[in-house]
Amino acid sequence: GAVVSQHPSRVICKSGTSVKIECRSLDFQATTMFWYRQFPKQSLMLMATSNEGSKATYEQGVEKDKFLINHASLTLSTLTVTSAHPEDSSFYICSVERSSYNEQFFGPGTRLTVL
Amino acid sequence: GQQVMQIPQYQHVQEGEDFTTYCNSSTTLSNIQWYKQRPGGHPVFLIQLVKSGEVKKQKRLTFQFGEAKKNSSLHITATQTTDVGTYFCAASGNTPLVFGKGTRLSVIA
Repeated sequence: GAVVSQHPSRVICKSGTSVKIECRSLDFQATTMFWYRQFPKQSLMLMATSNEGSKATYEQGVEKDKFLINHASLTLSTLTVTSAHPEDSSFYICSVERSSYNEQFFGPGTRLTVL
Repeated sequence: GQQVMQIPQYQHVQEGEDFTTYCNSSTTLSNIQWYKQRPGGHPVFLIQLVKSGEVKKQKRLTFQFGEAKKNSSLHITATQTTDVGTYFCAASGNTPLVFGKGTRLSVIA
């Protein structure tokens, strides 16, 4: 499989601040990473597809200027939640896809709480 | 876009009872994947089904893909407390995956 890490695992911030979440593929070069958001007791909602060296592809309804994605290398993608508000509080999970196997490997997730 | 409906939303069983979750799509799926998410954890890949009518087993778990490739099921025989979690199906025709809403399983010892 693929080993994916995320940092930080938990973050609490004040409303109006920006939070950066890192997703690293530790043993696999990932040209594509995915960012999901999961509200309590709900399913995974795809936010965007992060493409190494190019702009991310955002899903409908996801604000590009609020959720900034940077995929600068084959092992690192970052998601920055800008001017966070309490409604942005959620569990953010990244994943990588091994194209030869087609399954996705998820990071451990980042729980964001905006006060 | 492609959607997958998953039922039931919740299931409470006594330890030792069987459990089944179902995933349905209105369109033909290229393949279907199943994931398990433990409480507080992240989704973990269980299996992928590709062929029409395919049946795969992993110990007490049995996965089926319908003949028309529009539905799938996950059956757990004799549930154990370690089976607790949310089971998601995910359809993959084109990347990215489309996840069902999941079935949350609780097992009463």
